[in-house]
Amino acid sequence: QSALTQPASVSGSPGQSITLSCSGTSSDIASYSYVSWFQQYPGKAPKVIIFDVSYRPSGVPNRFSGSKSGYTASLTISGLQPEDEADYYCSSYSSSTLWVFGGGTKLTVL
Amino acid sequence: QVQLVQSGAELKKPGASVKLSCRASGYTFTDFAIHWVRQAPGQGLEWMGWINAGDGNTQYSQKFQGRVTITRDASANTAHMEVISLRVEDTGVFYCARGYVRGSHRPDYWGQGTLVTVSS
Repeated sequence: QSALTQPASVSGSPGQSITLSCSGTSSDIASYSYVSWFQQYPGKAPKVIIFDVSYRPSGVPNRFSGSKSGYTASLTISGLQPEDEADYYCSSYSSSTLWVFGGGTKLTVL
Repeated sequence: QVQLVQSGAELKKPGASVKLSCRASGYTFTDFAIHWVRQAPGQGLEWMGWINAGDGNTQYSQKFQGRVTITRDASANTAHMEVISLRVEDTGVFYCARGYVRGSHRPDYWGQGTLVTVSS
């Protein structure tokens, strides 16, 4: 069982906004602002799209945004594009194990 | 530019060991750490462990403690991970990723992955 909890799948239509959730514990999300989100296409390595809860690396479109409240982190994609169809993983620093991942959410663009 | 290049695919029998490598370039190797992450077929990412490339300090996931050893050769800008007593369920792609040694410790740049197949 993954340390962080994500919904297995989410879907949306082009142009819509969708939000992916990620639930943690007092050892990770609730206590630290060190949440990262990764995007992964089939057969490819993960790519960081959000770090430290809400910061975007250069080159990541600004329609990706991150936030956190209590035990839950969120990734919002505004103006959904067909190329956003991928797997998304949340992750966090953890005082108990250094780093943890969520189980991943498969995003389908209808 | 930052690059992590991993060693090639491996085919192993149950009970055997495997040692993977991850060669870094484009940054000062000893200023950062290296994470190792496993992804079983069709499954999610699983954090295995981390080494501070500067001082060699390591930390492992409890799940892999005792079966995984992470080392580094600073002179070669390379990190290694050895997994012993391989099981069929260890089959998957193993990634290395650069990490920070302070603060978040977050992974940022990733290698291309190494496929390890464990089969009799």
